[in-house]
Amino acid sequence: QKEVEQNSGPLSVPEGAIASLNCTYSDRGSQSFFWYRQYSGKSPELIMFIYSNGDKEDGRFTAQLNKASQYVSLLIRDSQPSDSATYLCASPGGTASKLTFGTGTRLQVTL
Amino acid sequence: GAGVSQSPRYKVAKRGQDVALRCDPISGHVSLFWYQQALGQGPEFLTYFQNEAQLDKSGLPSDRFFAERPEGSVSTLKIQRTQQEDSAVYLCASSERGSSYNEQFFGPGTRLTVL
Repeated sequence: QKEVEQNSGPLSVPEGAIASLNCTYSDRGSQSFFWYRQYSGKSPELIMFIYSNGDKEDGRFTAQLNKASQYVSLLIRDSQPSDSATYLCASPGGTASKLTFGTGTRLQVTL
Repeated sequence: GAGVSQSPRYKVAKRGQDVALRCDPISGHVSLFWYQQALGQGPEFLTYFQNEAQLDKSGLPSDRFFAERPEGSVSTLKIQRTQQEDSAVYLCASSERGSSYNEQFFGPGTRLTVL
């Protein structure tokens, strides 16, 4: 079992809808999580960081962390075609917080 | 400002050749990480430097992989006697310091294809 698990998708949502991306993790000691967006052929870019239980909002993005249930999610409101990308969930751990990534969920926002 | 840069962006090697991949981190960033990303997968950790010290190389897949950062800035990942399974995108990332709360900034990656 991978330490960080994601459904690879693709997840298809219509433009304007809410996209919900989920990630589960096995290490109860994990304290924080990063959501990276990766466009095809590009490098990952950070969009959200969360370390407290509950919700964290930034513009159209909301990250949710539930440490008891060991899952973290990312909600994208008013989805746009430009949101079509792979979303990677990552948790730091070990030496100097090297990141452990999930496989990523591919999101497709359709017109 | 300048981000993380990597060169070359693309590298094609014949099986058995040695390759060297370069990473220029963001100026002043203490921590530098190398990741390997296979097609359709998330990045996998290879190795980590704090300044010039290589503090973790647990992710290097074999002794054919070697990384260095002699002056605490530019880093080179070397792969000797390349094999087809080494084909992947190699990502370099840097952060201000190694902490659970520090963002890692990624470079554009080097896509290595071994024929």
